[in-house]
Amino acid sequence: EVQLVESGGGLIQPGGSLRLSCAASGFSVSNNYMSWVRQAPGKGLEWVSGIYTGGNTFYADSVKGRFTISRDNSKNTLYLQMNSLRAEDTAVYFCARVNDDFDFWGQGTLVTVSS
Amino acid sequence: QAVVTQEPSLTVSPGGTVTLTCGSSTGAVTSGHYPYWFQQKPGQAPRTLIYDTSIKHSWTPARFSGSLLGDKAALTLSGAQPEDEAEYYCLLSYGIGRPGVFGGGTKLTVL
Repeated sequence: EVQLVESGGGLIQPGGSLRLSCAASGFSVSNNYMSWVRQAPGKGLEWVSGIYTGGNTFYADSVKGRFTISRDNSKNTLYLQMNSLRAEDTAVYFCARVNDDFDFWGQGTLVTVSS
Repeated sequence: QAVVTQEPSLTVSPGGTVTLTCGSSTGAVTSGHYPYWFQQKPGQAPRTLIYDTSIKHSWTPARFSGSLLGDKAALTLSGAQPEDEAEYYCLLSYGIGRPGVFGGGTKLTVL
């Protein structure tokens, strides 16, 4: 059974860092195009970052230079390293298996950036 | 960055038909944007209903269909059910190596 479980969210002060994890089961993250999508409280969805099977990555302009997407094939886990966090980064962060059909989403982890 | 537009809210009667649309600030939406449609209910993760304009997942109810309508992508719900009340988001792709852009969402009320 395919499953994605995010973790690592929490309350962090502005300027701080946090690393989100997305543990996958039922498939290999290295063989799939994976992404992070976020949703600020009461707002819509925003595609944050993605990593292709070959390792190429991309980022939304809003997080470029501050966030880094990566994966650990041995742990079958996707990560999002978030640095220099801002209040506007407060959101639920979802990981998703994209490929052609965006078929599976995790349940999300909440990141709150506040002093 | 492109802006993707959706109706903020729509209402449909039970058993009725409604069409949600998805436009792009860059011009006509085409199959090359690989339009996606997602359903999200409160407190839940999004669920993908349609990808590549009109392809359904195995879990997508038959009453949902995707298409291109004029210069927009469209999601049509025929025979609305109370459980279809949700927020619906479209997503358009603007090229490899770039994040797709979500629309602002349509809050669909079945009433």
